[in-house]
Amino acid sequence: EAGVAQSPRYKIIEKRQSVAFWCNPISGHATLYWYQQILGQGPKLLIQFQNNGVVDDSQLPKDRFSAERLKGVDSTLKIQPAKLEDSAVYLCASSFRLVGYTFGSGTRLTVV
Amino acid sequence: RKEVEQDPGPFNVPEGATVAFNCTYSNSASQSFFWYRQDCRKEPKLLMSVYSSGNEDGRFTAQLNRASQYISLLIRDSKLSDSATYLCVVKRDYDKVIFGPGTSLSVIP
Repeated sequence: EAGVAQSPRYKIIEKRQSVAFWCNPISGHATLYWYQQILGQGPKLLIQFQNNGVVDDSQLPKDRFSAERLKGVDSTLKIQPAKLEDSAVYLCASSFRLVGYTFGSGTRLTVV
Repeated sequence: RKEVEQDPGPFNVPEGATVAFNCTYSNSASQSFFWYRQDCRKEPKLLMSVYSSGNEDGRFTAQLNRASQYISLLIRDSKLSDSATYLCVVKRDYDKVIFGPGTSLSVIP
């Protein structure tokens, strides 16, 4: 079974620039999550999709972050404009009901 | 107060030692509980689920106390390869998953 695919693996941008991350979940996994993990902290949920609908985006900074999952499969997370404090690893995960919650390898973002 | 809290680390233990991690959660509607392991610069990976009756997987034992809203992970006979960050994870309704801040473990030769 293929895992959760994320790209790019690394990204370095200047503050105020825009950046986008892509995630392709495991086939058949209806639930997709984006997490932000700052160094030394646990992952923080940014947004959760069930198919192409948003279940929870209460911790997404909507003034600069956006995410979509138009066809209920792959998803993109965008930051516009980026701030220094957005430097983190952005993890995508998918699950099928209560079984099999799997992470991608993440995108490490550095904002300079 | 954070929804999921863990022992602050780091834990530095010698090989062969037994180490226990504690985790508390604040939402009594939480339904499922897990321990994840995260190696440095890697994504979190499921270590084990935590069941009400307690469960064991080799050197690892997980326990859940719903009344006290408390989860624990015990590692016996620690190996160097056990060095990692251990994340307590709580799942609520609608598959909402909350991670604790993690506890770092270093097993020393």
